[in-house]
Amino acid sequence: DGGITQSPKYLFRKEGQNVTLSCEQNLNHDAMYWYRQDPGQGLRLIYYSQIVNDFQKGDIAEGYSVSREKKESFPLTVTSAQKNPTAFYLCASSTVPANTGELFFGEGSRLTVL
Amino acid sequence: GQQVMQIPQYQHVQEGEDFTTYCNSSTTLSNIQWYKQRPGGHPVFLIQLVKSGEVKKQKRLTFQFGEAKKNSSLHITATQTTDVGTYFCAGRDNYQLIWGAGTKLIIKP
Repeated sequence: DGGITQSPKYLFRKEGQNVTLSCEQNLNHDAMYWYRQDPGQGLRLIYYSQIVNDFQKGDIAEGYSVSREKKESFPLTVTSAQKNPTAFYLCASSTVPANTGELFFGEGSRLTVL
Repeated sequence: GQQVMQIPQYQHVQEGEDFTTYCNSSTTLSNIQWYKQRPGGHPVFLIQLVKSGEVKKQKRLTFQFGEAKKNSSLHITATQTTDVGTYFCAGRDNYQLIWGAGTKLIIKP
């Protein structure tokens, strides 16, 4: 079955630690995205990538980093510089770059900072 | 900045009652998408509206896009327990997808 796989589903982190969230897709999609979701709010874009080895900052990129070395993979690192990292993180992909297609989401990773 | 306002934040209904959520944009949108997120789940695409004044139906769900392409609504007729979740609109403004904050549909016990 084609889809997007995010791991881990739940993650606990101590303050000052970096963590990396995995996102893998086998849909052959060009574009991939990372969103952050907080209770009572819509999705906020962290980073997106339309092609391998290229990515752009979204609205809330500070304290986060990404890479896109393979078409299938778009990992997100939450660094210690992110002041309030506790949130639900969603990875998504789409068939066309950025501006017309529907988004397909993974099941999400819930990060809690202790 | 560009915003998409979505109201209400919550709606409590008895099973069998109707439900409506509204989205309003500060700018003209090229299209608008609707997603549903079940409790504990991830957003799932429902539909995309592109044309001014467009109306689309999916069984008990009716989606509308305003004439000025600045507002949209989702109406559910005769809600069922399977409709529970949060409904998000997401409007395209050039290359950006701008998300509403969502409306949570709660079925009263």
